[in-house]
Amino acid sequence: NAGVTQTPKFRVLKTGQSMTLLCAQDMNHEYMYWYRQDPGMGLRLIHYSVGEGTTAKGEVPDGYNVSRLKKQNFLLGLESAAPSQTSVYFCASSYLRNNEQFFGPGTRLTVL
Amino acid sequence: SQQGEEDPQALSIQEGENATMNCSYKTSINNLQWYRQNSGRGLVHLILIRSNEREKHSGRLRVTLDTSKKSSSLLITASRAADTASYFCATNTGNQFYFGTGTSLTVIP
Repeated sequence: NAGVTQTPKFRVLKTGQSMTLLCAQDMNHEYMYWYRQDPGMGLRLIHYSVGEGTTAKGEVPDGYNVSRLKKQNFLLGLESAAPSQTSVYFCASSYLRNNEQFFGPGTRLTVL
Repeated sequence: SQQGEEDPQALSIQEGENATMNCSYKTSINNLQWYRQNSGRGLVHLILIRSNEREKHSGRLRVTLDTSKKSSSLLITASRAADTASYFCATNTGNQFYFGTGTSLTVIP
């Protein structure tokens, strides 16, 4: 089992560019989450999904969009990147709503 | 923000000593979880305590929860150099999770 994987591991964007981060899990989990981690801020929830075809906003959703077309994949999109979106992005999944979350290794994104 | 806060922000101890870190949160919760993050890596789940539980043990870990004070503590006994990491509490309310700002633990061999 690969667990939770994230693609890419690193990326540098210029302001205004777009990109998509891919998260994949092979544990048949229903719930998937996207977080961003900034120094001194801990992890903040961007969007989450409670199942295939569903998405919902988290604590800091502005500037991001997500899609969950397949149960195993959760995509995070930045339509027009801004320097404030420079961060480390983590994807996580869980089997049930209140269960432990399994995290991917993270994507380090820099927006110039 | 419903983010929790860990205290202290940083902790440095000698190998073999116990490490205690605290978490305070703001709202009612379903459960509280503790995670560890090694430098440059993703988070790893350590232990979950439900809102109707007061104490839980797992190996060298002991977690307490006081819902009246909206606080939790994580005790790591007989620390090892490999315990060096950042530790985060996460509170679960509904479908969302709120992470604290973390405690950076350094265990000196």
